[in-house]
Amino acid sequence: QSVLTQPPSASGTPGQRVTISCSGASSNIGSNFVFWYQQLPGTAPKFLIYRNDQRPSGVPDRFSGSKSGTSASLAISGLRSEDEADYYCAAWDDSLSGRVFGGGTKLTVL
Amino acid sequence: QVQLQQWGAGLLKPSETLSLTCAVYGGSFSAYYWSWLRQPPGMGLEWIGEINHSGGTNYNPSLKSRVTISVDTSKNQFSLKLTSVTAADTAVYYCARVAADLIDYWGQGTLVTVSS
Repeated sequence: QSVLTQPPSASGTPGQRVTISCSGASSNIGSNFVFWYQQLPGTAPKFLIYRNDQRPSGVPDRFSGSKSGTSASLAISGLRSEDEADYYCAAWDDSLSGRVFGGGTKLTVL
Repeated sequence: QVQLQQWGAGLLKPSETLSLTCAVYGGSFSAYYWSWLRQPPGMGLEWIGEINHSGGTNYNPSLKSRVTISVDTSKNQFSLKLTSVTAADTAVYYCARVAADLIDYWGQGTLVTVSS
């Protein structure tokens, strides 16, 4: 059971906008930054969004992050086939003094 | 360009000790935390713990009693030891760099299988 809660799956058709939610608590999302990682099949994860809504260079602006209270979201607009991957949210948890992850959301592009 | 290269035994018997090492190439070694994570087959990511260049550590409370992370600054390497492994410890293990809470570079991953 993951500390952060994500839907196990999400889907959309090419060009659509999809959002993936991440729910936590005051000890993690509520008081710390949220990060999003993308994991393509058979590869190591790579970071997509840092500090809630910051996008590193090289990540398309189709990807955006937001945070409100103890929840966060990743939005992907203009969905493309290469976006098919697993997405994970993460944050530091003050109560556990450790990093916590969501269970991951498998995104399917129909 | 920062690269993390990891190695270690891929097949263990129950009760044995898992041992992995990660070498860091490029970038500063002293400016970051260095982390270990794992991913059981078909499942999500789990943070195991991390260490800084001076040996300061943070561990996942659920694994703390069995985990030791150490650092060798002379070689820009850090290591993971996990004792008394069981089948539940079967996973792909990743080493990674942590920059201000962001895990920005990952090793290639090592599949560790625990089986009698």
